[in-house]
Amino acid sequence: DTEVTQTPKHLVMGMTNKKSLKCEQHMGHRAMYWYKQKAKKPPELMFVYSYEKLSINESVPSRFSPECPNSSLLNLHLHALQPEDSALYLCASSQDDGGARGNEQFFGPGTRLTVL
Amino acid sequence: AQKITQTQPGMFVQEKEAVTLDCTYDTSDQSYGLFWYKQPSSGEMIFLIYQGSYDEQNATEGRYSLNFQKARKSANLVISASQLGDSAMYFCAMRLLGETGGFKTIFGAGTRLFVKA
Repeated sequence: DTEVTQTPKHLVMGMTNKKSLKCEQHMGHRAMYWYKQKAKKPPELMFVYSYEKLSINESVPSRFSPECPNSSLLNLHLHALQPEDSALYLCASSQDDGGARGNEQFFGPGTRLTVL
Repeated sequence: AQKITQTQPGMFVQEKEAVTLDCTYDTSDQSYGLFWYKQPSSGEMIFLIYQGSYDEQNATEGRYSLNFQKARKSANLVISASQLGDSAMYFCAMRLLGETGGFKTIFGAGTRLFVKA
């Protein structure tokens, strides 16, 4: 299994809702990532988990809360979002987080989030 | 500053011809990795090719090759024999040590490639 899966594919939520995005990989990768991508822009890193521990938080607002229940799963909990948070949220994984060289990331198909 | 620059917002190429997508980078690190990803309109990012900063040979993967010129800090992607399915957004990316000690990947602005029949 060489893929990263994400659910749901599309999500529409109001500013008072609480929802979660899910990401799963079964490649034995030990690093997992959340990215946010606005239309016609490159992905922006939000969080990195390495061996199930949060290793990088790129100053993301607290209305986004990541969780890594085990080495295969990564969640992103959403609460009190703003319309400007509407974007494509991409999950990725790599073999590990231990180096600049190699460690290409495998991306999921993304969740298109719309906040009304 | 650590930065990736892609100066071509859009490129056109005739089917079956070769095309070069430009990428320059800026880092003071000695150890880093350079990647190219393809993003079709469906949204999924697809890994294409990787070049390590200490690799002396240019990377090749099928129709993709990376023209790595370390002194000029450039890592251009060459696609040979373009196909209609190559129409997509292409991102150059660099993996390096972040400010907080973890490794992270930064992306260039991207180049939209259009392949004409």
